[in-house]
Amino acid sequence: SAVISQKPSRDICQRGTSLTIQCQVDSQVTMMFWYRQQPGQSLTLIATANQGSEATYESGFVIDKFPISRPNLTFSTLTVSNMSPEDSSIYLCSVVASNSYEQYFGPGTRLTVT
Amino acid sequence: QKEVEQNSGPLSVPEGAIASLNCTYSDRGSQSFFWYRQYSGKSPELIMSIYSNGDKEDGRFTAQLNKASQYVSLLIRDSQPSDSATYLCAVKSATPLVFGKGTRLSVIA
Repeated sequence: SAVISQKPSRDICQRGTSLTIQCQVDSQVTMMFWYRQQPGQSLTLIATANQGSEATYESGFVIDKFPISRPNLTFSTLTVSNMSPEDSSIYLCSVVASNSYEQYFGPGTRLTVT
Repeated sequence: QKEVEQNSGPLSVPEGAIASLNCTYSDRGSQSFFWYRQYSGKSPELIMSIYSNGDKEDGRFTAQLNKASQYVSLLIRDSQPSDSATYLCAVKSATPLVFGKGTRLSVIA
């Protein structure tokens, strides 16, 4: 399985500001995803991060609010823009390793917006 | 809309018993099925994957798949208090994984 790291692990941010979350994988992966998990809820897919092209967003999520980059096969960033308290959540990077169907999750970034 | 359904629980079992977690899915074209374990405050951890009908065993865990009934289950034998967690069923077809809402398992010592 791939080893996934995320930075920061947690942050407290003020309303109206932006936060960029980094996801680094120790090996090349075919697919990278960003999820959100609100307290007591299941996982919600925000977008698929595509290497070298624009991310594919799920219904209810837009690029202006959640810009995503994936410059190579091992790294991606998610920015949460113009934050409001409703954005308080855990944000998770997830990957599918090469030659595998299995999907793994990073440790998550716990975001609190005040 | 592709859906994955799980009983939310909590499912309480005594230590040493078998815990049975169930999941149904709506997309008949689904090909890959996964169980994740998520401890409180932690990220989901993949514990089992199954791709063909029947049983797959890994230690105390057994995944069972019945594609005709669109049903997948996870059995945990000799349940331990450390198994207390939320278990997420996930199903994949041509789209990204679809997750159920999870079943909370509590193993009582």
